Amino acid sequence: QVQLQESGPGLVKPSETLSLTCVVSGYSIGSGYHWGWIRQPPGKGLEWIGSIYQSGATDYNPSLRSRITISVDTSKNQFSLQLRSVTAADTAVYYCARHLYIEPMDVWGKGTTVTVSS
Amino acid sequence: QSVLTQPPSASGTPGQRVTISCSGSSSNVGSNFVYWYQQLPGTAPKLLIYRNDQWPSGVPDRFSGSKSGTSASLAISGLRSEDEADYYCATWDDSLSGYVFGTGTKVTVL
Repeated sequence: QVQLQESGPGLVKPSETLSLTCVVSGYSIGSGYHWGWIRQPPGKGLEWIGSIYQSGATDYNPSLRSRITISVDTSKNQFSLQLRSVTAADTAVYYCARHLYIEPMDVWGKGTTVTVSS
Repeated sequence: QSVLTQPPSASGTPGQRVTISCSGSSSNVGSNFVYWYQQLPGTAPKLLIYRNDQWPSGVPDRFSGSKSGTSASLAISGLRSEDEADYYCATWDDSLSGYVFGTGTKVTVL
């Protein structure tokens, strides 16, 4: 059974970098699916942040592209998100998820709450 | 701002049928698979329907999906109290080269 688990600091200061990791268990990360990050601000809807494909190529939400890096570490079976220069608007629950190419997510992590505050 | 429009709310009494719409365009719903998710309070989204009308293992067939042109729909038949949740549609957008989610619909069981 595939499981995804997000981890990272729950509190980040404004202007700093938010760094999250998603550990995948029950499935080899290089075996054919792709991996993405989605966030949900308090009381709001879901927003796709970006994805990394099996090839290592990435797609990012145009509204966040200048601040994002998504990378993968196949040796640790995990992938990561870095979001730079955060503001209070980046406060959200961050989810990692699995998906096929240009198909939405089928398996999600439980999510991790990140608050941006000084 | 989402490019997929859903009604903000829907409601019904136990046993009734509720339908939620997801309106998009030719670059998203009109040309790609639509997925539907259920999100209970404080939990991660759960896949309900994939590839427009397919059920993942374990999802009851009270939930059904359909797509026509640039709109998709999720129907919940035999409504139960445990169906109270937020529901989202999602698909790939060819113009944006990214995933888009619906605005979300809160279902209330009266």
